[in-house]
Amino acid sequence: EIVLTQSPATLSLSPGERATLSCRASQSVSSYLAWYQQKPGQAPRLLIYDASNRATGIPARFSGSGSGTDFTLTISSLEPEDFAVYYCQQCSNWPPEYSFGQGTKLEIK
Amino acid sequence: EVQLVESGGGLVQPGRSLRLSCEASGFSFDDYAMHWVRQAPGKGLEWVSGLTWNSVNMGYADSVKGRFTISRDNAKNSLYLQMNSLRPEDMALYYCAKAGDGGNEFDYWGQGTLVTVSS
Repeated sequence: EIVLTQSPATLSLSPGERATLSCRASQSVSSYLAWYQQKPGQAPRLLIYDASNRATGIPARFSGSGSGTDFTLTISSLEPEDFAVYYCQQCSNWPPEYSFGQGTKLEIK
Repeated sequence: EVQLVESGGGLVQPGRSLRLSCEASGFSFDDYAMHWVRQAPGKGLEWVSGLTWNSVNMGYADSVKGRFTISRDNAKNSLYLQMNSLRPEDMALYYCAKAGDGGNEFDYWGQGTLVTVSS
């Protein structure tokens, strides 16, 4: 079973600042890494897939990078609506198994 | 517009069964794998189970293997989760999620159906 570890658990920043969120896998997941944003009372929303591809409708301030075991989600300049919980997720294809990181809460400083 | 609408949640006693449903619209349901993901109150996301478009390949989290069964009816654009031998730790909001084009991510989610396991 592949374990994803996200850091930090909580990130306190101000609007306009740059956010850098990390996700580390216990073994290589190649580039099969996705990022999601979840706001209170809402379902998760896909931001990034295959480590660096933005999903449909996602603003350009969100970017993803990495491969193998180390991945990063960067928000270049925080907007008020970006404060939420962020999860990374991996897929190992055979047999199909998926797992999520424990989440990073991005809060307003 | 893609829509996923879950139903079937509710209050159930430990050891009993429940069947969740997810009705899909706005895309070619029989072209995509589908999944169930759950979230316990105040906790993170946990993948539960997934099923390929043709029902040939399926997977389960270790925590539900042998107790839960995923299935689909492409004629009805519907995904199901049969949950047997329910435990208190199965209590969560259960989301239905559509696989993305690459199959490795979940690009659309429903709003979830709440399962409460308590005596």
